[in-house]
Amino acid sequence: QSVLTQPPSVSGAPGQRVTISCTGSSSNIGAGYDVHWYQQLPGTAPKLLIYGNSNRPSGVPDRFSGSKSGTSASLAITGLQAEDEADYYCQSYDSSLSGSDVFGTGTKVTVL
Amino acid sequence: QVQLQESGPGLVKPSETLSLTCTVSGGSISSYYWSWIRQPAGKGLEWIGRIYTSGSTNYNPSLKSRVTMSVDTSKNQFSLKLSSVTAADTAVYYCARASGYSSSWYSYWGQGTLVTVSS
Repeated sequence: QSVLTQPPSVSGAPGQRVTISCTGSSSNIGAGYDVHWYQQLPGTAPKLLIYGNSNRPSGVPDRFSGSKSGTSASLAITGLQAEDEADYYCQSYDSSLSGSDVFGTGTKVTVL
Repeated sequence: QVQLQESGPGLVKPSETLSLTCTVSGGSISSYYWSWIRQPAGKGLEWIGRIYTSGSTNYNPSLKSRVTMSVDTSKNQFSLKLSSVTAADTAVYYCARASGYSSSWYSYWGQGTLVTVSS
């Protein structure tokens, strides 16, 4: 039972823009803790996509962008490509859970 | 380039203790936080806990009574023990390096190791 809620799935045609929401609460995102995003391709470990709400690690295309407002955060993928079909997870820190890191429920992105 | 590799038994009997080790190469284990994260088949990621190289730990409250983490800086390794396992503990277990304590992210992950709990 994750404390960060994501939509189970989103889809879009190649070239389109999709967004994934991550809804938390006053003890995690709303408390000012950063949100990070991961991409997980089938059978592989998660890969860091966005850190510190909106920063991209070296090598991550600028088609991926992140934002945060209030108790929520969002990941946007513009110019959707077939290779973006994967599971995406948000992650933050929760002060009410003995200093735990928490992951979102995960979102499957399907490229139509 | 930092690399992490999980190792340990792939099959554990119910009620026994799951033991995994993560070996860090390409960099020192010192002065970082290290975590274990698991993922049951077809499900999401679950944070198990973190350990600093001083030995201080934080555990997921839902698993705290059964989890023990330790670190061996001389071997560049850290370990996970999960006691009294049931089928619900069957998952791919990942080790990862955190960027810090709160608001930390995970840049480096192991490839993951599948642990099945079954008699």
